[in-house]
Parts: sequence; C-alpha cells; structure tokens
Amino acid sequence: EVQLVESGGGLVKPGGSLRLSCAASGFTFTNAWMSWVRQAPGKGLEWVGLIKRKIDGGTTDYAAPVKGRFTISRDDSKTTLYLQMNSLKSEDTAVYYCVAGLGATPLDHWGQGTLVTVSS
Amino acid sequence: DIVMTQTPLSSPVTLGQPASISCRSSQSLVSSDGNTYLSWLQQRPGQPPRLLIYKISNRFSGVPDRFSGSGAGTDFTLKISRVEAEDVGVYYCTQATQFPWTFGQGTKVEIK
Repeated sequence: EVQLVESGGGLVKPGGSLRLSCAASGFTFTNAWMSWVRQAPGKGLEWVGLIKRKIDGGTTDYAAPVKGRFTISRDDSKTTLYLQMNSLKSEDTAVYYCVAGLGATPLDHWGQGTLVTVSS
Repeated sequence: DIVMTQTPLSSPVTLGQPASISCRSSQSLVSSDGNTYLSWLQQRPGQPPRLLIYKISNRFSGVPDRFSGSGAGTDFTLKISRVEAEDVGVYYCTQATQFPWTFGQGTKVEIK
C-alpha cells in the first residue's frame, strides 16, 4: 500500500524558515516523480513544485510564487522527499501535501498533509 | 499559465441522480507526446484529494464505474451517473501538460 507521511509543519514567523519531510513507502521511490501541492485554509489547490526521478534528470520545477524561496529535494536512499521553505510569508499558510506520480499521472497518490502557519 | 475554469462551482444533487461538471482550459492540453494530461480529483470533507480520472477518461484504481470522464482539447467533463452520499465533496480538474501545473477552482457537490 502506498503511504506518504508528511511532517515538519507548524507555526513560524514571517521571514522564517521551515523544512517539511515526506516519508514514502509501499512503492519504488526511485521511479516516482514527487510533488508538493498546497491548500490555503478554505481555498483550492495550488501546485508548489516537483522533482523528477533521477533517470529523468532529477530536475526541479517550481510555481512562480515560491521560486527562489522554496527548494525541493529527495533522498532516494531514505525514500524521503523534502521541502525547504525560506523567507516565509503569511500567504504561504496552507496545508502542504506530498504527492507521488507512479505512472498514471504525476499526481497519483496523496499524503494526508501537514499544516504550515506563517504568523507573528 | 494555463487557466482551468470549472462550472458550476456548486452542484446540489438528489441521491441517485446524475451530476456533471465541466472544465475548460485556456489552451489545448494535448502534449507534444500526444497525450492529454487532464485529471479529475475528489476531495471529501476533511480528507486529502484523491485521483479519480486521468488522461481525460481513465478511471484510477478502485474508482467506481459511476464516475466517467470525457472531452478533448480544451473542453472536458466529469460525470457521476448516480450520485451516492459518499460522493459529497469538492471536485477539481487539473492539467499536467505544461508547467506550472494548474487546478480548476473546484466544484462542490452536495446532496439536496
């Protein structure tokens, strides 16, 4: 069974940093494109960015609002995805979902999410 | 960026009756590889999103056959043949043809 478990969310002050982790199991992590998608309270879904699998170059892409502030990385040996968030703003407040793409689409399987609140 | 526009934004439905959601993209979703990366997601209250349909019309593993997708190019539709109580939630279309990947605003399906 595919499992994606996010951690690392919490309350952080504007301008601060936070690192989210996503522990993956139940599938071959090295074969997956991994993404982060966020959802502000009471709002819709917003793609944050992704990291491709190594055989596809392991490259990253980001949404414009987070480019230059957020960094996605992966540790295939630990089957873990990361999201380093710097220079956080109040508008980054959201539930952050880890999403795996295993072949059907890049957004096949979703974790439960972790809440990040940016507030003074 | 490709803008995804869903209609309606709210859909009150009687149990056992059909429901239909439309999604229109601001440009064609046909990729250079010939595929159309249009998917539908369901988000039940208090739950994370779940993939229902991918590449326009393919049901994902475990998805009941009362859900179906259709369309081409820039116009797509999700249909529920007979709405059940467990179908209550918000439905999103999403495209992964071009970066940045984008989502529709969501359509809330509720029981009348």
